[in-house]
Amino acid sequence: NAGVTQTPKFQVLKTGQSMTLQCAQDMNHNSMYWYRQDPGMGLRLIYYSASEGTTDKGEVPNGYNVSRLNKREFSLRLESAAPSQTSVYFCASSERDRKNQPQHFGDGTRLSIL
Amino acid sequence: DQQVKQNSPSLSVQEGRISILNCDYTNSMFDYFLWYKKYPAEGPTFLISISSIKDKNEDGRFTVFLNKSAKHLSLHIVPSQPGDSAVYFCAAPIDRGSTLGRLYFGRGTQLTVWP
Repeated sequence: NAGVTQTPKFQVLKTGQSMTLQCAQDMNHNSMYWYRQDPGMGLRLIYYSASEGTTDKGEVPNGYNVSRLNKREFSLRLESAAPSQTSVYFCASSERDRKNQPQHFGDGTRLSIL
Repeated sequence: DQQVKQNSPSLSVQEGRISILNCDYTNSMFDYFLWYKKYPAEGPTFLISISSIKDKNEDGRFTVFLNKSAKHLSLHIVPSQPGDSAVYFCAAPIDRGSTLGRLYFGRGTQLTVWP
């Protein structure tokens, strides 16, 4: 009963390195999301994918790219990591057959950039 | 500019008593609200929601109240238990009337329930 799986759970990068965070869901959801959570800031939407083949920017997209590889997988890429991108990253998914469906979250990737 | 605000970063309550977590919003077009609960090192999990056509929704020990005129909602937990100690996030859909599912989140309130 996996739900939303994120890999890796932890990662330390040096400034300028690149990194791809992986996310997969097994609930057959159409919509997927990437958030970052910083202390005292709540969750902020980075990118989202309403359905397979589409992606759109969220509130804080600068410095990131995404790929909706198929219906199950949605990856987040940092091309040139910066210390300001140190954060906890959460992937989520939800149904699109009805409105106001709750999102289901993975357990996060804790990313530190030195 | 925050559209969903949780102005209390923390709340401490004794076991057995009521916990009241508050949330304010600025956009009168919001028509649905959700509460999520988050334990350390885990992702948020959906707790309870309320539609703007209601002023109360109850699920076991959890009740959410909505006051549209004040643009305010609150989550009541009665009785509080130590296992309720977590961060609670208030959220509202960005796309009203859409199935898109994007959410605005508040900054969260850390609830600590002590024995």
